[in-house]
Amino acid sequence: EAQVTQNPRYLITVTGKKLTVTCSQNMNHEYMSWYRQDPGLGLRQIYYSMNVEVTDKGDVPEGYKVSRKEKRNFPLILESPSPNQTSLYFCASGAWDPLGQQYFGPGTRLTVT
Amino acid sequence: GQQVMQIPQYQHVQEGEDFTTYCNSSTTLSNIQWYKQRPGGHPVFLIQLVKSGEVKKQKRLTFQFGEAKKNSSLHITATQTTDVGTYFCAGKQPGYSTLTFGKGTMLLVSP
Repeated sequence: EAQVTQNPRYLITVTGKKLTVTCSQNMNHEYMSWYRQDPGLGLRQIYYSMNVEVTDKGDVPEGYKVSRKEKRNFPLILESPSPNQTSLYFCASGAWDPLGQQYFGPGTRLTVT
Repeated sequence: GQQVMQIPQYQHVQEGEDFTTYCNSSTTLSNIQWYKQRPGGHPVFLIQLVKSGEVKKQKRLTFQFGEAKKNSSLHITATQTTDVGTYFCAGKQPGYSTLTFGKGTMLLVSP
């Protein structure tokens, strides 16, 4: 089954404790991205990657890191989480060139206290 | 940067009524996509429009892309309770590698 998986689905953590949210897709997509969703603000892109070892900042990259060492995986790293990073996070993947339909993961609800 | 405005933010209709959400971009788009997110779920792709003036239909849903490729609309005829959710448009600007999402329109349908 074609899918994007994220782990964990829910996470409560404390300020400053490094965490990683994993994302994996089994559709051989070149393009992967991370979004955060906040009430009233819609979906905002954090980082994206057009292929292995190619990543770039989205609209709200501050406080986040990503890596793309393998085509299927695109982890999101919060080196020192802060309460303003409390949000619902979605990973997405899709074909690149042209940029088409995006397949979203189930989401990770993160709370930073 | 590119901005995509979506209106209304919220609409509550009675089952059987029609619904329309509008999307406007500050710049010309190469394509526009529409997604639906059910409460507690993740965005799911509905359709992509590429051509100027394009109109596509999916059962009770009609999607339009403006002649100038700067605006789009989604119209639902005779809403059903299964249409409940938030509808997002997402535009891609020529030469850019990202989609910019509108803030979405939340649709509530009362039986």
